[in-house]
Amino acid sequence: EAQVTQNPRYLITVTGKKLTVTCSQNMNHEYMSWYRQDPGLGLRQIYYSMNVEVTDKGDVPEGYKVSRKEKRNFPLILESPSPNQTSLYFCASSPTPQGALAQYFGPGTRLLVL
Amino acid sequence: EDQVTQSPEALRLQEGESSSLNCSYTVSGLRGLFWYRQDPGKGPEFLFTLYSAGEEKEKERLKATLTKKESFLHITAPKPEDSATYLCAVRDNNDMRFGAGTRLTVKP
Repeated sequence: EAQVTQNPRYLITVTGKKLTVTCSQNMNHEYMSWYRQDPGLGLRQIYYSMNVEVTDKGDVPEGYKVSRKEKRNFPLILESPSPNQTSLYFCASSPTPQGALAQYFGPGTRLLVL
Repeated sequence: EDQVTQSPEALRLQEGESSSLNCSYTVSGLRGLFWYRQDPGKGPEFLFTLYSAGEEKEKERLKATLTKKESFLHITAPKPEDSATYLCAVRDNNDMRFGAGTRLTVKP
């Protein structure tokens, strides 16, 4: 089944404790992206990647890191999480390098930083 | 600054009562306007992509249209299963920008 998977789905952590949210897609898509979703603000792009070893900042990159060493994986790293990073996170992928076609979203990761 | 604004924030309809959702945008170079549906606790699900003014696309009870400044998602004779949040997004170069969404409730 074609899908985007994220792990973990739910995470409670404390301020300053490094964490990684994994994202994997099995559709051989070139474009991958991370978003956070907050009430009233909608989805905001954190980082995106047009291909392996190519990443770029979205609208809200501060406090986040990403890497794209393989085509299928695009992990999101929070080196020192803070409470304002409490949010619902979505990973997405798209067939084209520019992401001009539809994006396929993962199920989401709900993060609470205490 | 690029902006995407959706209205209304919430919409309640009776089953069978047609209506429209609006997405207005200001971007320097539109490379695609997207509509997604999002159910509670799930990731957005793709509905339509529109690329140029005048373009229209349909899927079951939904029809999306595009002008130079806005897009409409028309819902004809909605059913309770159409209840969801509908998201609009625009692509400007490599950035993807989403609106806050319209939460649609269809009552039987």
